[in-house]
Amino acid sequence: AQTVTQSQPEMSVQEAETVTLSCTYDTSESDYYLFWYKQPPSRQMILVIRQEAYKQQNATENRFSVNFQKAAKSFSLKISDSQLGDAAMYFCAYRSGRGNDMRFGAGTRLTVKP
Amino acid sequence: NAGVTQTPKFRILKIGQSMTLQCTQDMNHNYMYWYRQDPGMGLKLIYYSVGAGITDKGEVPNGYNVSRSTTEDFPLRLELAAPSQTSVYFCASTNGLGRGDTEAFFGQGTRLTVV
Repeated sequence: AQTVTQSQPEMSVQEAETVTLSCTYDTSESDYYLFWYKQPPSRQMILVIRQEAYKQQNATENRFSVNFQKAAKSFSLKISDSQLGDAAMYFCAYRSGRGNDMRFGAGTRLTVKP
Repeated sequence: NAGVTQTPKFRILKIGQSMTLQCTQDMNHNYMYWYRQDPGMGLKLIYYSVGAGITDKGEVPNGYNVSRSTTEDFPLRLELAAPSQTSVYFCASTNGLGRGDTEAFFGQGTRLTVV
């Protein structure tokens, strides 16, 4: 079964600075999708960014970008110009290309200091 | 758009009681999932379904049952509730395969306490 590992239970960043959250995954598949979700205290799961494994180009969404290293099975999230509203739990997720399940990492709690 | 709707939002159960968590989506998604999230932890997959009439176990299926009689609904049944089932439960749905949208849409969660 696929596994997703987030090795940083907590991270902290100063407002306006940059922070990188790490994620590694284990799979034998070649076709899959990777996601970063944000979960604020409201518990709502919010999609931050997605990456298709067949695409070599790293995804970007405004201040959020990923470093996707397929051979290393690594998928890190970079948040630039951090804002107070970025404070939340961040989950890395893997979805099989067969679509039969979707697995999440344990999460990283991000604190943003003013 | 309603998206994914879960009911109830909160529930307290006594040990040994049973209940059904309801989940419905109006996006015509084939794939639906149930997760549980323990305090300070990530989401663990309980069951999933790839279409009406088809369900399969995830990582932590013991103590739960599901059914998928329609595309829209994917209820989760707890039989003989135990304190270990105290958690927040999320239902999610996503589109089929292909190069289109693969994002999962989540319900607001159900906070269940078993005492």
